[in-house]
Amino acid sequence: EDQVTQSPEALRLQEGESSSLNCSYTVSGLRGLFWYRQDPGKGPEFLFTLYSAGEEKEKERLKATLTKKESFLHITAPKPEDSATYLCAVSILTGGGNKLTFGTGTQLKVEL
Amino acid sequence: GAGVSQSPSNKVTEKGKDVELRCDPISGHTALYWYRQSLGQGLEFLIYFQGNSAPDKSGLPSDRFSAERTGGSVSTLTIQRTQQEDSAVYLCASSPTTSTDTQYFGPGTRLTVL
Repeated sequence: EDQVTQSPEALRLQEGESSSLNCSYTVSGLRGLFWYRQDPGKGPEFLFTLYSAGEEKEKERLKATLTKKESFLHITAPKPEDSATYLCAVSILTGGGNKLTFGTGTQLKVEL
Repeated sequence: GAGVSQSPSNKVTEKGKDVELRCDPISGHTALYWYRQSLGQGLEFLIYFQGNSAPDKSGLPSDRFSAERTGGSVSTLTIQRTQQEDSAVYLCASSPTTSTDTQYFGPGTRLTVL
């Protein structure tokens, strides 16, 4: 069964204190790994898609990396506006469709 | 352009009543997905549409749940005889095709069953 595990469940950082969020996955055949950001009361907002081990993508203070077993979301010099829940999801190689299997998220709080 | 919209944003109902949740995808997106997000749990897949057909309904929790899509656009998720365990946020997402990976989510409908 496809499984996605995120750690830590919650993370509290001081502004400017860099850190990483982890997403480990067990799937039959990875099609893509996705990172989303979710603010309270809102739907997930797309951040990145990664397809193969060694791939990296960056956006502002965020950088996502992928290995054969896990992905990391690195946050460099975070600001309070980076506070949100970060969700990781995978899609697998199947005959059709692209349903996502999500982890339970990491709740990030960045304080002044 | 306009994103995915969902209505209502909040729905409170009594146990045993039927509810309908609506999703309006991004214009031109042929693939539409429904997910459910329960407190303390990750998003779980319910059903997806390619055009008006639903090739994968494997995530629907019981036969009380059904969904349809008309005109390749708006979709309705119907829950019959609601139970308290149906309380959750129901999220809709769309993508240009099912082979396009990025899914864009709506704001969700928060359903509370009393």
